[in-house]
Amino acid sequence: AQSVAQPEDQVNVAEGNPLTVKCTYSVSGNPYLFWYVQYPNRGLQFLLKYITGDNLVKGSYGFEAEFNKSQTSFHLKKPSALVSDSALYFCAVRDIKGNTPLVFGKGTRLSVIA
Amino acid sequence: DAMVIQNPRYQVTQFGKPVTLSCSQTLNHNVMYWYQQKSSQAPKLLFHYYDKDFNNEADTPDNFQSRRPNTSFCFLDIRSPGLGDAAMYLCATSRDLGTSGTSRQFFGPGTRLTVL
Repeated sequence: AQSVAQPEDQVNVAEGNPLTVKCTYSVSGNPYLFWYVQYPNRGLQFLLKYITGDNLVKGSYGFEAEFNKSQTSFHLKKPSALVSDSALYFCAVRDIKGNTPLVFGKGTRLSVIA
Repeated sequence: DAMVIQNPRYQVTQFGKPVTLSCSQTLNHNVMYWYQQKSSQAPKLLFHYYDKDFNNEADTPDNFQSRRPNTSFCFLDIRSPGLGDAAMYLCATSRDLGTSGTSRQFFGPGTRLTVL
């Protein structure tokens, strides 16, 4: 079975500082990994994905994530946070084997303080 | 341009009164999903259609049903809504469930359901 863990319910960071939102995963095979962002009363918006290739993936709005197979992690990062980055962030995984839908983590609320 | 459209955005129903939520897509994707999301929680997959093939999650209550009359439309029917069914319902699509990365999901804005 596949699963995702986001160990932090809430992350607070000052505007202009770097931010990290953590994600670890568990799959039986190789993973496809995704990050989505959700603003209040909105659907989820795709940020970035890791399928294969370079471990460092760059996505929308200046976000990036690093795939670390040995640590089974896919942490989301941004060098300089903006107040407008404040939102709910979801990590998701699916196994490369089989036709299974995404499994989402419980989400991490990011608050960027001016 | 909207690609995954959900109507209505807000729905109020009474306890036990059937309600239908609508989703349409302009992407011509094969797969359509329905998720239930309660406040600040992860979206919980209820079921998905791959083309006309219906796939129900094991823990989805019988109270929830779905219809997909054609590629573009998918409906979520809640036969007898309870107070615990109040949530945001998200529709999503993907081109397929394959291994080429085309399983990226596109989400609609959601329908917030209130049960009185």
